Amino acid sequence: GQNIDQPTEMTATEGAIVQINCTYQTSGFNGLFWYQQHAGEAPTFLSYNVLDGLEEKGRFSSFLSRSKGYSYLLLKELQMKDSASYLCAVWDSNYQLIWGAGTKLIIKP
Amino acid sequence: GAVVSQHPSWVICKSGTSVKIECRSLDFQATTMFWYRQFPKQSLMLMATSNEGSKATYEQGVEKDKFLINHASLTLSTLTVTSAHPEDSSFYICSARPSQGGEIEQFFGPGTRLTVL
Repeated sequence: GQNIDQPTEMTATEGAIVQINCTYQTSGFNGLFWYQQHAGEAPTFLSYNVLDGLEEKGRFSSFLSRSKGYSYLLLKELQMKDSASYLCAVWDSNYQLIWGAGTKLIIKP
Repeated sequence: GAVVSQHPSWVICKSGTSVKIECRSLDFQATTMFWYRQFPKQSLMLMATSNEGSKATYEQGVEKDKFLINHASLTLSTLTVTSAHPEDSSFYICSARPSQGGEIEQFFGPGTRLTVL
């Protein structure tokens, strides 16, 4: 079956750095997405990785290792507004998005 | 970025009634739209993929006769929850993928919170 694993919840301090991991096992791979979702709102796109390596976009970076079925989202200089759920999703061989359950990130002052 | 709207943003209805939710791409055309359902503290669950001018493709376990999807134009898809029951209460989110431009991103609507009494 298809499976995406990410931690349920993480806590970090304002101004710090946090890394949210995602491992996946899917039937084929056409890319991995990270989305941010605030409570009661729809997800917003953060990043897309299809090749191995690190993609940096401002305070957020995303890393992919296809051979390991592994990705992480790195958030730097954490701000209170970064408190949200972070969803990892993989495009399988049919370009269907397979979603992880999301990681709830709690930022403390 | 591209904008997707949903209407209504929230709805409360009695058990047994039907509810229609609209999903519109405001500044782009979308051949494909997706309907998701999200229960509290859970991830998005794809219900169906809606293609303009053809029948929707439903995920396993989703009743097509209960969740009617119509994608009549390149900017509008509707989801009708027929004979709604309390267990249908959820957050329904649509997303749309632009038809042109090689976009890989799906743009999400703001969601519709359905409460069935």
